[in-house]
Amino acid sequence: GQQLNQSPQSMFIQEGEDVSMNCTSSSIFNTWLWYKQDPGEGPVLLIALYKAGELTSNGRLTAQFGITRKDSFLNISASIPSDVGIYFCAGLRADKLIFGTGTRLQVFP
Amino acid sequence: GAVVSQHPSRVICKSGTSVKIECRSLDFQATTMFWYRQFPKKSLMLMATSNEGSKATYEQGVEKDKFLINHASLTLSTLTVTSAHPEDSSFYICSASGLAGGYNEQFFGPGTRLTVL
Repeated sequence: GQQLNQSPQSMFIQEGEDVSMNCTSSSIFNTWLWYKQDPGEGPVLLIALYKAGELTSNGRLTAQFGITRKDSFLNISASIPSDVGIYFCAGLRADKLIFGTGTRLQVFP
Repeated sequence: GAVVSQHPSRVICKSGTSVKIECRSLDFQATTMFWYRQFPKKSLMLMATSNEGSKATYEQGVEKDKFLINHASLTLSTLTVTSAHPEDSSFYICSASGLAGGYNEQFFGPGTRLTVL
């Protein structure tokens, strides 16, 4: 099935640094979502985006819905150790989620 | 609110046996439940969508006779992996959504790790 491409695949950063990751698709989505998955757990919704160009924040997290509707970006500011995990983007189509390939984030103290 | 549980959290079985995984919405009624499969270091892939009281809809390439899904009530869906083989070993995650119309947020369970020996 279709997958969304995320980059980078993995990131190793120091605590306090800002993080940027993105997600691209060959087709349009009208809703983009960002999830975080901790090891051995299900994903947890971080941010949902409903309109092209929309910029939405949730604490230190900010996500943008690309104007072409084929991409989305997630930024994490001032990273902390508990930000460690895998971040997935997902596009919503006919009530089904299509997940991205994931970005693995490691934060060193 | 919006808690989804899965049982068991991990299961090890012998090749050829069947395994049932339960997905429950604890504090809301889930009209739709989804089943995903995740291989190590890979993304979540949708296997099937089930609506309460009706047959599940399977994604292309997913064998419906191997992965039996039952959504008999608004709070429970089960996935049975029949005649499991080592290649069925994976992390199985369910999600549940419960609003009518519009975008229904999916709430994910904690997953079930299946190991087939």
